[in-house]
Amino acid sequence: GESVGLHLPTLSVQEGDNSIINCAYSNSASDYFIWYKQESGKGPQFIIDIRSNMDKRQGQRVTVLLNKTVKHLSLQIAATQPGDSAVYFCAENSGGSNYKLTFGKGTLLTVNP
Amino acid sequence: SQTIHQWPATLVQPVGSPLSLECTVEGTSNPNLYWYRQAAGRGLQLLFYSVGIGQISSEVPQNLSASRPQDRQFILSSKKLLLSDSGFYLCAWKGETQYFGPGTRLLVL
Repeated sequence: GESVGLHLPTLSVQEGDNSIINCAYSNSASDYFIWYKQESGKGPQFIIDIRSNMDKRQGQRVTVLLNKTVKHLSLQIAATQPGDSAVYFCAENSGGSNYKLTFGKGTLLTVNP
Repeated sequence: SQTIHQWPATLVQPVGSPLSLECTVEGTSNPNLYWYRQAAGRGLQLLFYSVGIGQISSEVPQNLSASRPQDRQFILSSKKLLLSDSGFYLCAWKGETQYFGPGTRLLVL
């Protein structure tokens, strides 16, 4: 079936560097995408979202890029900090107005001081 | 502001025992509510969602059931737990986006 997947399961960066986490999706009908951050033992925390009628959206130190042509989503974190260390998930809305999300497997981001 | 609660935070249960996990949302009315399960080191799998009281949709066949007895209460249940039911159970509600609760870690022995 269609699913959301991640290119890299782990990413290690130095404090202060920029991080890029990638995600591929296959459901061309998905109209809404979300990035979540999950720390160990906690529930996922909303970071940023983007609708399919946009190709870029910026938040505080984070940017999400959407390339519908190649069905690719990325999360960019500027000036990565140790507190950014966590697992990052992308999710797509494949359920229309019911917002039934399909999640990727996650990328573990480790920030080295 | 809206908040979502789950309890218990951790639960250890023997195989064959019943299960009841609770989720409540405050500060909103008639939200869509969701139950997800997360296996260790994996992504989240949608189990159930509800658009209103008494309305439950099941996404995957399994040993679990869900109920929504009140507008802001969502319950996940099982009559007899299996080893494979172990995992991290997350409740979520839909506001501007989908927000998650703190989760319940279930270990079935």
